[in-house]
Formats: sequence, structure tokens, C-alpha cells
Amino acid sequence: DTAVSQTPKYLVTQMGNDKSIKCEQNLGHDTMYWYKQDSKKFLKIMFSYNNKELIINETVPNRFSPKSPDKAHLNLHINSLELGDSAVYFCASSLAESEQYFGPGTRLTVT
Amino acid sequence: GDSVTQMEGPVTLSEEAFLTINCTYTATGYPSLFWYVQYPGEGLQLLLKATKADDKGSNKGFEATYRKETTSFHLEKGSVQVSDSAVYFCALSLYNFNKFYFGSGTKLNVKP
Repeated sequence: DTAVSQTPKYLVTQMGNDKSIKCEQNLGHDTMYWYKQDSKKFLKIMFSYNNKELIINETVPNRFSPKSPDKAHLNLHINSLELGDSAVYFCASSLAESEQYFGPGTRLTVT
Repeated sequence: GDSVTQMEGPVTLSEEAFLTINCTYTATGYPSLFWYVQYPGEGLQLLLKATKADDKGSNKGFEATYRKETTSFHLEKGSVQVSDSAVYFCALSLYNFNKFYFGSGTKLNVKP
């Protein structure tokens, strides 16, 4: 009965590789988000989708590309990974103006 | 611009001590306010919320009151436990503007 799930939980890869993180929510929410959390726990919103439409696209490198095949899924694809991309990436979802529900996070380590 | 400012940590307390974590905000419009908690190795969980001025959110012994006059939403707990050790985030939502802002997080360490 997981509400917001992400895969994988850990991802270790080398610089220059391309990787994807998947997110799924079974809450019936209409909005989904990607956040990046750095080593100091600072949370930065990257993208937000509402009903499969991109509504927030903060200043992130265009190597990051979100894709929402349907309302329940929001994936994040990262091209040409760099050392600075190492972080924990969180997916979240919400309904209208209510609170956000977060996934468990994906710890990405780029070596 | 819209933002959330919360006190820097870490905050270290002994068990059963009183906790206050300060949070102030700047927002256009009428935001909803939230406190989230992040336990080690986990995602963020909603702790409590308030959607309009003077509302008090409460959960698990934690409380916060939405103060429009001081633009604040301070988190309090009368008696902390070791299990409360976590990082706490204050946040605001301005849905009509598709905006959701988090504070920088405050780490709480509770010692037995």
C-alpha cells in the first residue's frame, strides 16, 4: 500500500553516463514533483507536473528531463551525469493545494 | 519574493526539554503553512499544517500557530523524546501560483 514509490533507492554510476529514476503514486493525486536534496539537507524543487503538464521548471541544467506518461507516474532522466549531480532525489505528489506526500528518495552517487 | 526562513541548527536538547523551532515566511497572497519531518534515511513526512490565519496545527505533541501579523509558524513541543531526533522543515504553499517553498531545515538532536 505504498503511497509514493521510487526506484531505484540507490544509484551509483560514473560521470558521463545517462540514468533514469522512476516514480509512481497510487494516491490519485493530480500533481507530481521532483526535488533535489543536497548534503546539507537543502531541498530544491526541480520540476512539477499537473495532469501530465509541466507547470514548474526551475533553473536546472537541460541534462535533466522529466517525463510524465500518465498522472500516476513521473520519471526523471539525467544525461551526461556530473559529480555535482550527486544528491538525494525525492519525488512527491499532491492534490490541489493540499500537502505533498514524498517518496523514500533515490540516493545518486556519481563517481 | 516568496520564501521561508527557519532557524539554523543543529538544535541539541535533553529528553523532556521544551522545543521551539522558529519559522517565518514572506508570501504574496494567502499561503498554507506546513511542517515536515525527515527521519534519517527517509523521505519527508507531513507533521502538521495550517491553512489560514490563527489556525493551529497539531500532531504527535507538536503544535504550530499560523500568525499572519508576525508572518510566523513556529514549531513547539512541550517535552521532546529521543525519537524526535530528525530534520524539521517549514514550508509554504501558494497553489494558485503553483508555488511550494521549503525552509532550509533544522536538525534536532535529543539526548537521553
